[in-house]
Amino acid sequence: DVQLVESGGVVVQPGGSLRLSCVVSGFTFDDYAMHWVRQAPGKGLEWVSFISWDGGSTSYADSVKGRFTIFRDNSKNSLYLQMNSLRAEDTALYYCAKGPYSTATELRDWGQGTPVTVSS
Amino acid sequence: DIQMTQSPSSLSASVGDRVTITCRASQRISTYLNWYQQKPGRAPNLLIYTASGLQNGVPSRFSGSGSGTDFTLTISSLQPEDSATYYCQQSYSTPWTFGQGTKVDVK
Repeated sequence: DVQLVESGGVVVQPGGSLRLSCVVSGFTFDDYAMHWVRQAPGKGLEWVSFISWDGGSTSYADSVKGRFTIFRDNSKNSLYLQMNSLRAEDTALYYCAKGPYSTATELRDWGQGTPVTVSS
Repeated sequence: DIQMTQSPSSLSASVGDRVTITCRASQRISTYLNWYQQKPGRAPNLLIYTASGLQNGVPSRFSGSGSGTDFTLTISSLQPEDSATYYCQQSYSTPWTFGQGTKVDVK
């Protein structure tokens, strides 16, 4: 079975940094692009970032560009999101997700999410 | 960035009703449009991909249509378990963007 398990979400002060992790199993990780999607409490879904299978291509939402960095370690079946200069509006449940094939334009498989709270 | 606008924001309908949710893109996106269902406390669940493709395991009462800028998600006969929030999402260009969601309540 495909599994995506996020971790690393905590309470952090504004201006602080945090690294989220997503460990995957049940599929060949380095065959797939990966994404981060977030959801603020009581709000809708917001796509955050994308990384290609080899890490050579990345993309970000305007709201996080320059502050967040997505990267991956294919040897560890792990995806990461380095979050710097955190703001209150970054408070959300962060999901990692993937499509059903390497270049898919839909997100079929999702983790359970890890919560990030930015507050003093 | 491409803006996605869903309507209505919420609706209430009875079991057996036909329900339609619309999604409009701020520019043409061909058929790069997906639909997700999300229930409280759960991750989103892919229903429809590339505007009209039914994801494996999704009941056939769900269907999608449209291309260009206007899309619809239809539930042909609403069931109690369809109570959820539904989101459209464009993947024509990054940044990918979601609609604001449509909350469906089953009376």
